[in-house]
Amino acid sequence: EAQVTQNPRYLITVTGKKLTVTCSQNMNHEYMSWYRQDPGLGLRQIYYSMNVEVTDKGDVPEGYKVSRKEKRNFPLILESPSPNQTSLYFCASSLSPPHFDRGRYNEQFFGPGTRLTVL
Amino acid sequence: GQQVMQIPQYQHVQEGEDFTTYCNSSTTLSNIQWYKQRPGGHPVFLIQLVKSGEVKKQKRLTFQFGEAKKNSSLHITATQTTDVGTYFCAGPLYSGTYKYIFGTGTRLKVLA
Repeated sequence: EAQVTQNPRYLITVTGKKLTVTCSQNMNHEYMSWYRQDPGLGLRQIYYSMNVEVTDKGDVPEGYKVSRKEKRNFPLILESPSPNQTSLYFCASSLSPPHFDRGRYNEQFFGPGTRLTVL
Repeated sequence: GQQVMQIPQYQHVQEGEDFTTYCNSSTTLSNIQWYKQRPGGHPVFLIQLVKSGEVKKQKRLTFQFGEAKKNSSLHITATQTTDVGTYFCAGPLYSGTYKYIFGTGTRLKVLA
């Protein structure tokens, strides 16, 4: 089954304790993103990746790191989490970046989400 | 920076009534996508519009892309309880990057 998986689904942690949220897709997609969703703010892009070893900042990258060593995986790393990073996080992937007008190839598939609470 | 606003933020309708959400970008978009997120779920792709003035229909849903490619709308005819959720528009940013921006979303509640 074609899907994007994220782990963990729920996480409660304390300020300063490093954590990693994993994201994996099995569709050979090139473009991957991390978003955070907060009430009234919609989804905001944290980082994106065009392909292996190619990553760049989205709109709200402060406090986050990512890596793309393999095409299928795109982990999100919080080196020193703070309470303002409490949020719902989504990983997403698409075959082609949405910028290239390639019809259904631009469709972003989302993971189930990770609800993170930083105390 | 570039912003994409949606109005209204919330909408309650009686089942069978129509519903429209509007999406406005501060800059021109090369294309626009619409997503639906059910309560407790993740966003799911609905459609992509590319051409100026484009109109696409999916059953009771009608999507429009403005002539200037800075605004878009989603209209649902005769809402059903299955239409409940938050609707987002989204589009790529220009400026030499491959960032992607989502609108603020419209949460729809349908009263049976």
